[in-house]
Amino acid sequence: DAMVIQNPRYQVTQFGKPVTLSCSQTLNHNVMYWYQQKSSQAPKLLFHYYDKDFNNEADTPDNFQSRRPNTSFCFLDIRSPGLGDAAMYLCATSRDAGWGQPQHFGDGTRLSIL
Amino acid sequence: SQQGEEDPQALSIQEGENATMNCSYKTSINNLQWYRQNSGRGLVHLILIRSNEREKHSGRLRVTLDTSKKSSSLLITASRAADTASYFCATDKGDNNDMRFGAGTRLTVKP
Repeated sequence: DAMVIQNPRYQVTQFGKPVTLSCSQTLNHNVMYWYQQKSSQAPKLLFHYYDKDFNNEADTPDNFQSRRPNTSFCFLDIRSPGLGDAAMYLCATSRDAGWGQPQHFGDGTRLSIL
Repeated sequence: SQQGEEDPQALSIQEGENATMNCSYKTSINNLQWYRQNSGRGLVHLILIRSNEREKHSGRLRVTLDTSKKSSSLLITASRAADTASYFCATDKGDNNDMRFGAGTRLTVKP
């Protein structure tokens, strides 16, 4: 089945130690998104790629970076994680951007900071 | 920034009852979607309603949209324990990909 896969499901890192989360998709969708979701809150969009074009949200901290080396993979890099970065990180894809395109989500990576 | 606000924040019902969740938003939209999220999982798209539509059905789901009141409702009929999840509305204006999620309604269906 075509899907969005996030690895790992659970990630523990130390305060200030860089961490990378990964996402892959077999849907061949043009757009890939990264969301941060804290407990009982709405998913918050960090950035998205439309093909190779990177679109950063205005309030996404500089500590968060992303790479999309090809259509299938997208990475979220947190350069110096702080305690406030502990959250669920969700990757999603859509065929196109906007216009009511449904997004397809992976099951997320839960990040803990020690 | 968050666009939609769902209410109630939490809803607990018995299996077989209907569940209604509401979403209000602040600015004009082109599309509104509803998603479900089971605990510890990703979101799953349920239904899309466009700004020129007033009502849509999908199985046991019924969605309404009132653009004059800037609100939408999701009705789940004959609820099942498996419907226990958080439900989010998400709105977009059509261009770019400015889709924003509300804070969600946590639905518990007791067997």
